[in-house]
Amino acid sequence: GESVGLHLPTLSVQEGDNSIINCAYSNSASDYFIWYKQESGKGPQFIIDIRSNMDKRQGQRVTVLLNKTVKHLSLQIAATQPGDSAVYFCAETLYNFNKFYFGSGTKLNVKP
Amino acid sequence: SAVISQKPSRDICQRGTSLTIQCQVDSQVTMMFWYRQQPGQSLTLIATANQGSEATYESGFVIDKFPISRPNLTFSTLTVSNMSPEDSSIYLCSATGGVFSGANVLTFGAGSRLTVL
Repeated sequence: GESVGLHLPTLSVQEGDNSIINCAYSNSASDYFIWYKQESGKGPQFIIDIRSNMDKRQGQRVTVLLNKTVKHLSLQIAATQPGDSAVYFCAETLYNFNKFYFGSGTKLNVKP
Repeated sequence: SAVISQKPSRDICQRGTSLTIQCQVDSQVTMMFWYRQQPGQSLTLIATANQGSEATYESGFVIDKFPISRPNLTFSTLTVSNMSPEDSSIYLCSATGGVFSGANVLTFGAGSRLTVL
């Protein structure tokens, strides 16, 4: 399928290393955040979410960190695998508002 | 989570024509949205599709160019009108508020890739 990440910043990591993908969000009032993974030819897929009353949340191999002071999110992927190669986006919303706005995205390239 | 189907998955269109994209969700959802993803870019919200009433458009998007329908809680359409090459994009349908876990999570269809010649 066609790539959706032709012009996005790229992070290249070796298989097995940990990856950290960063995102600056825009609205200081946003209180709910989601990280999405988008593979070529597919729609974005949910990875992990976090509410603003937390600063860290862990999933399977993934951790999201939230720093509200500087409006910054990061996604940490442990033991990165070739299947993690994709474009990653953060999205923000007001929890009851339901409209999500997306960050600019990062292309993750995992080298075997 | 809900499964969202879009059609067409891709199309090649002539300048000046219009194309309607259909979005079907396999369960009732509260909110439906349409996004545009231009080549190599992030997702931009076009509008919220409101059931039984006019869609709510984001700044820079207008009803005449992107008419949207939502006749019920599981279906919506987006029309891209009077297309120009600048409309070449992936158009994505999404939804929240279904009767499934994580009801506030935004779920996406696979997208409709339009190429305008």
